[in-house]
Amino acid sequence: GAVVSQHPSWVICKSGTSVKIECRSLDFQATTMFWYRQFPKQSLMLMATSNEGSKATYEQGVEKDKFLINHASLTLSTLTVTSAHPEDSSFYICSARPALHEQFFGPGTRLTVL
Amino acid sequence: SQQGEEDPQALSIQEGENATMNCSYKTSINNLQWYRQNSGRGLVHLILIRSNEREKHSGRLRVTLDTSKKSSSLLITASRAADTASYFCASDSGAQKLVFGQGTRLTINP
Repeated sequence: GAVVSQHPSWVICKSGTSVKIECRSLDFQATTMFWYRQFPKQSLMLMATSNEGSKATYEQGVEKDKFLINHASLTLSTLTVTSAHPEDSSFYICSARPALHEQFFGPGTRLTVL
Repeated sequence: SQQGEEDPQALSIQEGENATMNCSYKTSINNLQWYRQNSGRGLVHLILIRSNEREKHSGRLRVTLDTSKKSSSLLITASRAADTASYFCASDSGAQKLVFGQGTRLTINP
């Protein structure tokens, strides 16, 4: 089946630093990838839709200058959390969409900002 | 909130019993999907039901969809300890993105 990987699986950083998270579709091409954030014991909240070769579409309330998304190829999207603060600590999950109705999810990246 | 609702929020049953989770969504949909998430892990796709379908089966899973009530249910029969996880419904309105319900935390007691 379709596999999506994320790297790193967990990261701890100091407040004020930037962190980059990669999302890769391993065995298919994805023109669209999605980035979600999940706080403990809560559901997934869509942050942005990443389209290959164009600018990402951000959901209301998500700061595009803080969460930089780059989708430079059909198999890779990156999310950079700039100037991270403790309130950005969360579980970040990406998904990739090879077909009209399917999404395949990555294993997630746990970010802890000290 | 854009999110749908699920109930119960938490469910604890004995192994072998059936577990039923309900989901409501807010907009018209193309399809509705159910996912499982083990603690601290990514999502596993369980089943997709299209808007023109009313019931779908996959192994021990049975999903129903009532578009008039904007609701869906997931039934897991003959539950096992390995079914312990959080379960989320996600509605697809055709606008490319999924809207997740708040989830049900299911615990199967041996």
